[in-house]
Amino acid sequence: EVQLVQSGAEVKKSGESLKISCKDSGYTFTNIWIGWVRQMPGKGLEWMGIIYPGDSDTRYSLSFQGQVTISADKSIRTAYLQWSSLKASDSAMYYCARGHIYGRFDYWGQGTLVTVSS
Amino acid sequence: QSALTQPASVSGSPGQSITISCTGTSSDVGAYNYVSWYQQHPGKAPKLIIYEVSNRPSGVSNRFSGSKSGNTASLTISGLQAEDEADYYCTSYTSRSFPLFGGGTKLTVL
Repeated sequence: EVQLVQSGAEVKKSGESLKISCKDSGYTFTNIWIGWVRQMPGKGLEWMGIIYPGDSDTRYSLSFQGQVTISADKSIRTAYLQWSSLKASDSAMYYCARGHIYGRFDYWGQGTLVTVSS
Repeated sequence: QSALTQPASVSGSPGQSITISCTGTSSDVGAYNYVSWYQQHPGKAPKLIIYEVSNRPSGVSNRFSGSKSGNTASLTISGLQAEDEADYYCTSYTSRSFPLFGGGTKLTVL
């Protein structure tokens, strides 16, 4: 069964860097899209960006362009979401999801809670 | 790009049917048959319940159905059950070659 396993919760300070991961146990990793979704406390879901590990085609929401970097290492079937300088407003739950760019994401990770203190 | 528009909340009694709307534009919902719906229970990851407007993934109850007319997509839940109480989100592919979520709808089963 396909599973996405995300890295554990993080507590960081403003200005610090962070890289969280999403490991895919599915049969294929190179012909699907991995998306990252932010959910701030008590708020809705927001697409941050998506990556096609097969050729590293990466697209970002206008809201997150330049704020985060999405990458993938297909040799270890893992996608990443990273920040170079965290802000308190980055405190949220972050989900990765596996599927198709058209919006059909069948499998989701368990979420990584990021807490940033000022 | 603004989120797709969903009602903040809907409610219904067990056994009833409810419909949640998802309104976009001619650059997203109206342009593509790529509307998906997700169900999210508190503290849980979202779960895909409808894709490509009206298709159900394997294992999803046939009480869930989707449709689209113009720039508005809809999710209908029939035979409402207590376990259906959750948040529901639509998402659509857009002309930016990127998906877009709706703001989410909280379903309360009375």
